[in-house]
Amino acid sequence: EVQLLESGGGLVQPGGSLRLSCAASGFTFRSYGMSWVRQAPGKGLEWVSATSGDAGETYYADSVKGRFIISRDNSKNTVYLQMNSLRDEDTAVYYCAKVRGLVSPDSWGQGTLVTVSS
Amino acid sequence: QSALTQPASVSGSPGQSITISCTGTSSDIGGYNYVSWYQQHPGKAPKVMIYDVNTRPSGVSNRFSGSKSGNTASLTISGLQAEDEADYYCSSYSTSTTPSEVFGGGTKLTVL
Repeated sequence: EVQLLESGGGLVQPGGSLRLSCAASGFTFRSYGMSWVRQAPGKGLEWVSATSGDAGETYYADSVKGRFIISRDNSKNTVYLQMNSLRDEDTAVYYCAKVRGLVSPDSWGQGTLVTVSS
Repeated sequence: QSALTQPASVSGSPGQSITISCTGTSSDIGGYNYVSWYQQHPGKAPKVMIYDVNTRPSGVSNRFSGSKSGNTASLTISGLQAEDEADYYCSSYSTSTTPSEVFGGGTKLTVL
C-alpha cells in the first residue's frame, strides 16, 4: 500500500523560507516521479511541481518558478520542496503525490499546512 | 497554465445519474489522453477516481466512468449515493508552456 507522509509545514513570515518533506513507502520510490500540489483555504487544487524518478527532470508552475525547488533523496525515499521568498498567496495545504506518467498526481498524502503571515 | 473549466455545482437525487464536464484546450485535454478525476471529501486528501480519461483504479466503484470528446472531458456518476457528495476535480497533462498538470476549479456535488 502506497503511503506518503508530509511534514515541515507551519507559520512563516512573508519573505521567509520553509522546507517540506514527504516520506514514501509501499512502492519502489526511485521508479516513480513525485509531485507537490497545493490547496489554498476554501479553494481548488493547484499543481506546484514535479520531479522524475532519477531527479533528472524537474517541472514548476509559473506561480512558483524561481522561488521553489523540488528535490529527492532516493536513498531515504523522500521528496522535498524548498520554498523561498514566501508570499501570503502561498498559504495552503501542500500535498505530496506519487506521479502517474510524467507529472500527473496518483496517490496522495494527507497534506501539511503552510501559513504565510506576519 | 490556465485552469480547466468545470461547473461550480451539480446536484442529483439518490439513484439518479449526473455528469460533470471539464473543458480545456488543445494543449491539454484535447491533445492527450491523460485526464484524471479526483474526489475530495471535506478535510480529506483527494482520491483518484478516473485516470487516462476512462480507467478506474482498483477499488473504485464502476458507477464512476469517464469520457472525452475534443477539448472536453466528462465524469459520469450513475446510481448516486449519499457518500458520493463531495468536491470533484478534473486534471490534465498540459504542455502549454513546460510540461505541467492543470486542474479544474472543482465541482461541488450535492446529493439531494
